[in-house]
Amino acid sequence: GESVGLHLPTLSVQEGDNSIINCAYSNSASDYFIWYKQESGKGPQFIIDIRSNMDKRQGQRVTVLLNKTVKHLSLQIAATQPGDSAVYFCAENLNTGGFKTIFGAGTRLFVKA
Amino acid sequence: DGGITQSPKYLFRKEGQNVTLSCEQNLNHDAMYWYRQDPGQGLRLIYYSQIVNDFQKGDIAEGYSVSREKKESFPLTVTSAQKNPTAFYLCASSYRDRGWNTEAFFGQGTRLTVV
Repeated sequence: GESVGLHLPTLSVQEGDNSIINCAYSNSASDYFIWYKQESGKGPQFIIDIRSNMDKRQGQRVTVLLNKTVKHLSLQIAATQPGDSAVYFCAENLNTGGFKTIFGAGTRLFVKA
Repeated sequence: DGGITQSPKYLFRKEGQNVTLSCEQNLNHDAMYWYRQDPGQGLRLIYYSQIVNDFQKGDIAEGYSVSREKKESFPLTVTSAQKNPTAFYLCASSYRDRGWNTEAFFGQGTRLTVV
């Protein structure tokens, strides 16, 4: 959903476990969704995306699931590594002729060695 | 190398002064954006531009101004009217691929501190 200045929720996982990060988006007409990873002091980087005509998409160690019925998006990271520690943002985009992207509040992932 | 460049990386401003943050991209992207990020928080949209000489306010435009005179450049001015300007500012760009919007490419950010 839209970021409103809330402090970030945190997820802590053991190295090697799978991580699941959830996101509720705000607009039922959004048709394109993206997950970003942001390391401290840097700009967000693209991880994976999904169009509204799909409900699952897999990348290397990452899977995104889209449930349009409940406006829910999740990012699954397999075999989580210390380098995965970062803040993860979901973003939604409305294809109405504009480029406006709305970011979720973000989740901080800690990976314990 | 293609990319999006923000400068400076760190910027200090005295209260009551205007300051301009630079954002340049050589990706040939039509759309550009400015976001503000406060410590431990998410991204909030300040302004965005879909095409040269056109831009729209985002969610927190008050106290900020932008221009889009060239496709490659989208500078952000933080004016003295912005009451709490200390933050991390991120610029991004994106394009359309066969009618679909694409992911945003981000710069490395400018950390603005008011002293």
